[in-house]
Amino acid sequence: GENVEQHPSTLSVQEGDSAVIKCTYSDSASNYFPWYKQELGKRPQLIIDIRSNVGEKKDQRIAVTLNKTAKHFSLHITETQPEDSAVYFCAVDSGGYQKVTFGTGTKLQVIP
Amino acid sequence: NAGVTQTPKFRVLKTGQSMTLLCAQDMNHEYMYWYRQDPGMGLRLIHYSVGEGTTAKGEVPDGYNVSRLKKQNFLLGLESAAPSQTSVYFCASSWAGGNTEAFFGQGTRLTVV
Repeated sequence: GENVEQHPSTLSVQEGDSAVIKCTYSDSASNYFPWYKQELGKRPQLIIDIRSNVGEKKDQRIAVTLNKTAKHFSLHITETQPEDSAVYFCAVDSGGYQKVTFGTGTKLQVIP
Repeated sequence: NAGVTQTPKFRVLKTGQSMTLLCAQDMNHEYMYWYRQDPGMGLRLIHYSVGEGTTAKGEVPDGYNVSRLKKQNFLLGLESAAPSQTSVYFCASSWAGGNTEAFFGQGTRLTVV
């Protein structure tokens, strides 16, 4: 089955700095890569996603890059703000949602 | 439009007791899922359903059963709770099976003592 590794597990940055979270996967057939944000005590919510035919996608301060050859993708958050503090999960879809595998999560702390 | 709603939000069970978690969605989604979330392990799929009347096993199905009698509801049952089932449970739904956003419920924190 799919193996998804997410790093780092915790990340602390100063407000205004950038944060980068990386995920690697094993199944070359994977074609959909969403990122979810989970605030403390809340439900996970989709913040950005990318499909295999695209190398990069941006949405304001958030961007995701995908390297299909190397089988890794990354979440980039620029100009971090305290409200960005949360746990971020990457996920990999290798063929139908029943085959979505989540990473183990990254706890991001933005220090004011 | 409530989205995905789970009940209850919290529950404490004694070992061996049974319970049912209810998930309801009002988005007319075909696909529904039950996940458990444990520290350091991300979200793991327990069971899922691709439509009314269908269910299938996910990654960690042992000790759980599910039913999808109505399109909008997906029930997760624990017949004989064990301490290893202490976790936070999330229901989710999506309009299609792949390449689509999953909408999550608010979670159920279950403690088995």
